Amino acid sequence: DAKTTQPTSMDCAEGRAANLPCNHSTISGNEYVYWYRQIHSQGPQYIIHGLKNNETNEMASLIITEDRKSSTLILPHATLRDTAVYYCIAKEVGGFKTIFGAGTRLFVKA
Amino acid sequence: ETGVTQSPTHLIKTRGQQVTLRCSSQSGHNTVSWYQQALGQGPQFIFQYYREEENGRGNFPPRFSGLQFPNYSSELNVNALELDDSALYLCASSRTSGRDYEQYFGPGTRLTVT
Repeated sequence: DAKTTQPTSMDCAEGRAANLPCNHSTISGNEYVYWYRQIHSQGPQYIIHGLKNNETNEMASLIITEDRKSSTLILPHATLRDTAVYYCIAKEVGGFKTIFGAGTRLFVKA
Repeated sequence: ETGVTQSPTHLIKTRGQQVTLRCSSQSGHNTVSWYQQALGQGPQFIFQYYREEENGRGNFPPRFSGLQFPNYSSELNVNALELDDSALYLCASSRTSGRDYEQYFGPGTRLTVT
């Protein structure tokens, strides 16, 4: 079973920030939080990952709470192309098994 | 840098047949994982290969088997196909050294079993 829970779906207006929450209350100390997204009929795409510090890259920012029980993926200026299913995953670095849940279906609307 | 490629793109098989799916990993990656994704669901981990050996396995029966070759490319074999094996099969490659282990996925092979 997935170690994370996410809302089933969310809407966001084009040009606004999309904030996708994820709960991972049972995450262990050596597990990172990874985010992937999957655009319809394509393979999942890596977005970002972090352990306990906030992270930012060219695609998104990841905010992890101090107790590490939840996190938020932020797409600062959502575009129509960001419409996808977003998966939040708790995984040990180097661990062989990646468990995907059902993810959050993000709809970006014009 | 070449990304992960998979072949074929689509495949139709009959129940009871056998199928082989192929994956070429991204340049510099030595680990390959395979996933099955049924319609409307998240990918399910099948197994992972590292240095030509199975490194871990999910809840899939032995009729799902794999190979990894010295160039790190990989095959997924499924014997005695069942209707429920119809799915998108994804391959992902990654490194196993350093701090980062993010996986890079191929576009998938859509298998239909009739």
